[in-house]
Amino acid sequence: DTAVSQTPKYLVTQMGNDKSIKCEQNLGHDTMYWYKQDSKKFLKIMFSYNNKELIINETVPNRFSPKSPDKAHLNLHINSLELGDSAVYFCASSPGGGQDTEAFFGQGTRLTVV
Amino acid sequence: AQTVTQSQPEMSVQEAETVTLSCTYDTSESDYYLFWYKQPPSRQMILVIRQEAYKQQNATENRFSVNFQKAAKSFSLKISDSQLGDAAMYFCAYRSAWGAQKLVFGQGTRLTINP
Repeated sequence: DTAVSQTPKYLVTQMGNDKSIKCEQNLGHDTMYWYKQDSKKFLKIMFSYNNKELIINETVPNRFSPKSPDKAHLNLHINSLELGDSAVYFCASSPGGGQDTEAFFGQGTRLTVV
Repeated sequence: AQTVTQSQPEMSVQEAETVTLSCTYDTSESDYYLFWYKQPPSRQMILVIRQEAYKQQNATENRFSVNFQKAAKSFSLKISDSQLGDAAMYFCAYRSAWGAQKLVFGQGTRLTINP
């Protein structure tokens, strides 16, 4: 019954590897997001999709590629992982369209690059 | 671009007392939403309270209330009767009412509850 679920919750990998984080929401929302929380706890938007269309792409290295196969799923693929990519990555969703409601967050994926 | 500032990296309060967390923001927009999110050690982001900019009345959710000063661009969170379970990181966030609805977060305030 989890509204926004991410897998995996923890990911430890070596530099240079490629990894993916998956996100699914069962709320029927149109908009999904990826946020990054760095080691100082600062949260920043990375990407946003609305009905499978990319609408926000902040200044993120092109090693990061989001993919939305349908509006309930938004995956994040990261190529050639670097030490600085270590962070917690949050998926979130919201109804979109200017509707008055908050974003719902997944439980986060802690990525550690060694 | 909008910015959100939380000037208190850490705060502490005695159990059952009241604490206020500060937040200021900068925007040229007139329609927007403001939020306080709580992040306990479990890492889950939990919505505490929401304020619509067009509403003059301050939002209240049980022990949590805000002091929204639109002209001053200030949005503080008051927690009354603090409980041990309130210990967490608290984030203030801004969202435009229209267009790309990303959340812009402040730096966070770590709240400690002393028994």
